Amino acid sequence: DSGVTQTPKHLITATGQRVTLRCSPRSGDLSVYWYQQSLDQGLQFLIQYYNGEERAKGNILERFSAQQFPDLHSELNLSSLELGDSALYFCASSVDFGIRETQYFGPGTRLLVL
Amino acid sequence: DQQVKQNSPSLSVQEGRISILNCDYTNSMFDYFLWYKKYPAEGPTFLISISSIKDKNEDGRFTVFLNKSAKHLSLHIVPSQPGDSAVYFCAARGGGSQGNLIFGKGTKLSVKP
Repeated sequence: DSGVTQTPKHLITATGQRVTLRCSPRSGDLSVYWYQQSLDQGLQFLIQYYNGEERAKGNILERFSAQQFPDLHSELNLSSLELGDSALYFCASSVDFGIRETQYFGPGTRLLVL
Repeated sequence: DQQVKQNSPSLSVQEGRISILNCDYTNSMFDYFLWYKKYPAEGPTFLISISSIKDKNEDGRFTVFLNKSAKHLSLHIVPSQPGDSAVYFCAARGGGSQGNLIFGKGTKLSVKP
C-alpha cells in the first residue's frame, strides 16, 4: 500500500458526459501528479500540482482540468468524454517536486466510456 | 515521439536465472532514471533509481546500469523469482520534464518456476 488513495476504482459512463476522479496523497506529500495509461501505452503525464498551485502541464486535453485543494487532495475533471478517453488514470504524490523525489502511485481509476 | 523506449514488450526467464530488462532514451538532458514495477490492478511501485552521474546502482537482487554514451539503461534481477513476474516500466526525469516522469511502454516479465 503506497498510501495514495484514488476513488472510484472503476467508472463506466457514456460519451459526452463529465466525471471527476479523486486522489488523496500520502500524508505529508505536497506534490500531486496525474498520469493516463491508455491501451498499449506507457503512462503519459497530464498535470502536476504543488501545495495547491499548478506546477507543470503535460499532454492534458483542454476538456480535462484539475485542481488541488487546501487539504492537498486533488481532483481530475474530464468533460465531453469521448471513447478514446477510456484509460487507467493514476495519481502519484511526492513530498516535494525535485527531480530526485520518489513518486508514489495510487491504485488507479479505470474509466470506460461507452 | 517517444523519448523513453522499451523495445521488448515481454520477457520470459526461468526461476533462479538472471532477468535483464532494457531501456533506451533519446533526450541527453535526462539526468535521473527510475524503474517501476506494476502488478495487475495496482499502481506502479518504485523499484530502483540511478542518477546520471553514476553508472551503476544496486539494491539487493536489483541492479540498474546506465550507459550515458549509448543512452541506454538496463535492470538486472538476480536471481529471478516467480514473484518478480510483473510489468516493468523505465522512466526518466529532467531535460525540461521538470519533476514529472517520462515513461516507457513497459516490459512484461514472466518468471517460470
